Amino acid sequence: GEDVEQSLFLSVREGDSSVINCTYTDSSSTYLYWYKQEPGAGLQLLTYIFSNMDMKQDQRLTVLLNKKDKHLSLRIADTQTGDSAIYFCAESITGGGNKLTFGTGTQLKVEL
Amino acid sequence: EPEVTQTPSHQVTQMGQEVILRCVPISNHLYFYWYRQILGQKVEFLVSFYNNEISEKSEIFDDQFSVERPDGSNFTLKIRSTKLEDSAMYFCASRTMTGPAETQYFGPGTRLLVL
Repeated sequence: GEDVEQSLFLSVREGDSSVINCTYTDSSSTYLYWYKQEPGAGLQLLTYIFSNMDMKQDQRLTVLLNKKDKHLSLRIADTQTGDSAIYFCAESITGGGNKLTFGTGTQLKVEL
Repeated sequence: EPEVTQTPSHQVTQMGQEVILRCVPISNHLYFYWYRQILGQKVEFLVSFYNNEISEKSEIFDDQFSVERPDGSNFTLKIRSTKLEDSAMYFCASRTMTGPAETQYFGPGTRLLVL
């Protein structure tokens, strides 16, 4: 079955890079996603990567995928206080309903 | 930019009461989903809906839950007889058939509190 794990907390200083890690178990994942959740708000899609890619860059965001180790990471360059939020990785498998399986979420705190 | 909307934003109900949570998906989307997030826990899949029928449901989605697309724009989640453990944030999501990465777009959620 699917299981997605993340570390719970990450604290960085403003201007530094943040790296949020995620491991998943289902090797048949088709897409992997990063969502951001600010306090009291919904889930905002940040970026995604197709499972046959190794890397994807989108402005300050870099996604790295190690399919062999089933490891996904999100790097945020030049982290700002507005990046403070909970970050969820999620996987989906094409076919059927394409449900998303979410990780536990990583709370990112950006300090001045 | 089109977005998924949900009403109400907050709902408080008594245990045993029925609640209906409403969602308006993005207009050209064909797949619809409900997820829930109990406070401090993971976001969990409840059900997916396509072509007027459930395509997949989780173990959480028991006989107390039902979904409906009554009028071509709304997508509702009904909980027939609420329990304390149904207290959670409920998220609706939708996607197109061919959108990039089959991306699901989420609404802002309805916070349900069962007393």
